Amino acid sequence: AQTVTQSQPEMSVQEAETVTLSCTYDTSESNYYLFWYKQPPSRQMILVIRQEAYKQQNATENRFSVNFQKAAKSFSLKISDSQLGDTAMYFCAFMKHTGTASKLTFGTGTRLQVTL
Amino acid sequence: NAGVTQTPKFQVLKTGQSMTLQCAQDMNHEYMSWYRQDPGMGLRLIHYSVGAGITDQGEVPNGYNVSRSTTEDFPLRLLSAAPSQTSVYFCASSPFSGGGNEQFFGPGTRLTVL
Repeated sequence: AQTVTQSQPEMSVQEAETVTLSCTYDTSESNYYLFWYKQPPSRQMILVIRQEAYKQQNATENRFSVNFQKAAKSFSLKISDSQLGDTAMYFCAFMKHTGTASKLTFGTGTRLQVTL
Repeated sequence: NAGVTQTPKFQVLKTGQSMTLQCAQDMNHEYMSWYRQDPGMGLRLIHYSVGAGITDQGEVPNGYNVSRSTTEDFPLRLLSAAPSQTSVYFCASSPFSGGGNEQFFGPGTRLTVL
């Protein structure tokens, strides 16, 4: 079974600064997918970024980028130029590549507060 | 497109009561699933379906039933509610199973069991 660990329950960053959220996972699979989801106070789950494990290049989406270290089983999220709208709960999630189901295994989340 | 819709948004039940949480999607997605979110535990998979007529258990299926008679709908039934089922419930869908597809989430249902 896969496990996903987010060791930072809460973090705070000032507006316009950069913050990195940590995520580690444990799996025996060689091919898989990793995701970061954002959950603002509205409760809606929003996909931030997606990484395919067989791709060496780190995924980037505008101000959001990841540092994917496959050997270390680490998948951190960097948010550049933080904005007040980035205040949310962030969840790291794992999905196996093979099989017939798109099951996600989530970490426990990191609550990010962006301050003025 | 409305995306993934869930009803109701909030519900309070007494122990032992039954109810059905509704989930519908209008994107013709093959895969649908139910998660529960509890404080400090992230989201955990309850049940999922890879197509009409096909369902399977996730990580925490006890106390819940599902069925999938159409592509669009995937209701979650609580047969005899217990306080341990107090949680926020999310329905999600994706175009097809596997392949690392993005899952689209509904707005959630907050359920309280007294």
